[in-house]
Amino acid sequence: KQEVTQIPAALSVPEGENLVLNCSFTDSAIYNLQWFRQDPGKGLTSLLLIQSSQREQTSGRLNASLDKSSGRSTLYIAASQPGDSATYLCAVKEETSGSRLTFGEGTQLTVNP
Amino acid sequence: GAGVSQSPSNKVTEKGKDVELRCDPISGHTALYWYRQSLGQGLEFLIYFQGNSAPDKSGLPSDRFSAERTGGSVSTLTIQRTQQEDSAVYLCASSTPGHPTDTQYFGPGTRLTVL
Repeated sequence: KQEVTQIPAALSVPEGENLVLNCSFTDSAIYNLQWFRQDPGKGLTSLLLIQSSQREQTSGRLNASLDKSSGRSTLYIAASQPGDSATYLCAVKEETSGSRLTFGEGTQLTVNP
Repeated sequence: GAGVSQSPSNKVTEKGKDVELRCDPISGHTALYWYRQSLGQGLEFLIYFQGNSAPDKSGLPSDRFSAERTGGSVSTLTIQRTQQEDSAVYLCASSTPGHPTDTQYFGPGTRLTVL
């Protein structure tokens, strides 16, 4: 059974810092990996999707990398801002389990002004 | 265009009552998913629809839970004889499988509280 783990569970940083969120998964037979953002009381917003054949994706200040063989992904946030405060979730879509996503428990990020 | 919408946004019910949660996917999305997010738990998959069929319903926690989708569009998740452990945020997502981005787009969720 696929398990997705995110470290750290919570992170507090001062504004302007660069930071890295980590995601690991136990079964490397994935189709893609997605990073989401969730604001309190809201749904999920997709940030980046990396196909299994890709190594990284970039969008603005965000960069996500994928090392499929070792079961790891990182989300790099450059020059963090208070508006980046949210919970960040990673999710994998497996090759053999159809279209479901398996989620980690998230990293709660607070960026202090 | 409009995103995924869900109704109601909040639902408070008494233990033992039945509830219906509604999801309107993005127009043209053939795939629809239900997930549940409980306090202190991660997001759990419940059921996946492709068109009106549900090829994967393995995440439904018990036979009190059922879902249907009509016209390849709107979906309803029904929970019968609700229990306190059913309290959670129920999230719906839709996508176009096979599309290069294959991104699942999520609605705002329905927060269910069972008293």
